[in-house]
Amino acid sequence: ILNVEQSPQSLHVQEGDSTNFTCSFPSSNFYALHWYRWETAKSPEALFVMTLNGDEKKKGRISATLNTKEGYSYLYIKGSQPEDSATYLCAPWATNKLIFGTGTLLAVQP
Amino acid sequence: SQTIHQWPATLVQPVGSPLSLECTVEGTSNPNLYWYRQAAGRGLQLLFYSVGIGQISSEVPQNLSASRPQDRQFILSSKKLLLSDSGFYLCAWSVMVSDEAFFGQGTRLTVV
Repeated sequence: ILNVEQSPQSLHVQEGDSTNFTCSFPSSNFYALHWYRWETAKSPEALFVMTLNGDEKKKGRISATLNTKEGYSYLYIKGSQPEDSATYLCAPWATNKLIFGTGTLLAVQP
Repeated sequence: SQTIHQWPATLVQPVGSPLSLECTVEGTSNPNLYWYRQAAGRGLQLLFYSVGIGQISSEVPQNLSASRPQDRQFILSSKKLLLSDSGFYLCAWSVMVSDEAFFGQGTRLTVV
C-alpha cells in the first residue's frame, strides 16, 4: 500500500497571506506526482503533473516543487484569495493508478 | 475533445438494495479508468482501476465490484448495499503517467 501523507490537514489564512502545503510519498519506483484542486460541489481539477527531480512548476499565484530522492513535494500559494479555498490533493503515480493523499483543506478568509 | 459522464448525481438507496453507477468517456481510446470514493471526513480512496476491457483491479476488499464491458464504459456495482457504502463516488480517466486525470461530476450515495 502506497503511503501518501499531506500536511497540514487544514489551514485557515487571511486574504493576502502566502501559504504552503507538504506532500510526502515513497521515493522508490517514482514515476510522477500530481497535484489537484478540489472545490466543494465540483470535481477535482489538475494543477500540476511533475516528473523530474527538482521540477518547479507555476500557474499564476500557485507553484510547486518536487524532490523525488527524499519523497516530498511542496505546493505554494502566494497572496491567497477567497477563491483559493478548496482541498488540495497530491497523488503519486504508482503502476497505472493514482493514489491520493487525504488532502489539505484551505480556507481563505476575506 | 474528451469528456466524461457519470450518473446519477445523487442517489438514496435502502440497505440491502443493489447499486449500479455508470461512467462513460468520450473522445479517447483505451483510457485507464478509475473509481474513487470519498467517505465522510476522509480523503479520496481508490476502489478499482482498469487498464483495458474486462481488466479490473481491486484496491480494497469491500462490498462493491466493478466491470468494464466496453473500452470507455466503467460500471460500479453492489448486490446489497451497506450503510458504510455511503459516500461520494468519483469516476476518472487518464492515458499516460505524465498526463492529468479527468474526473466525472461524482455521485452522492446515501444508504439509509
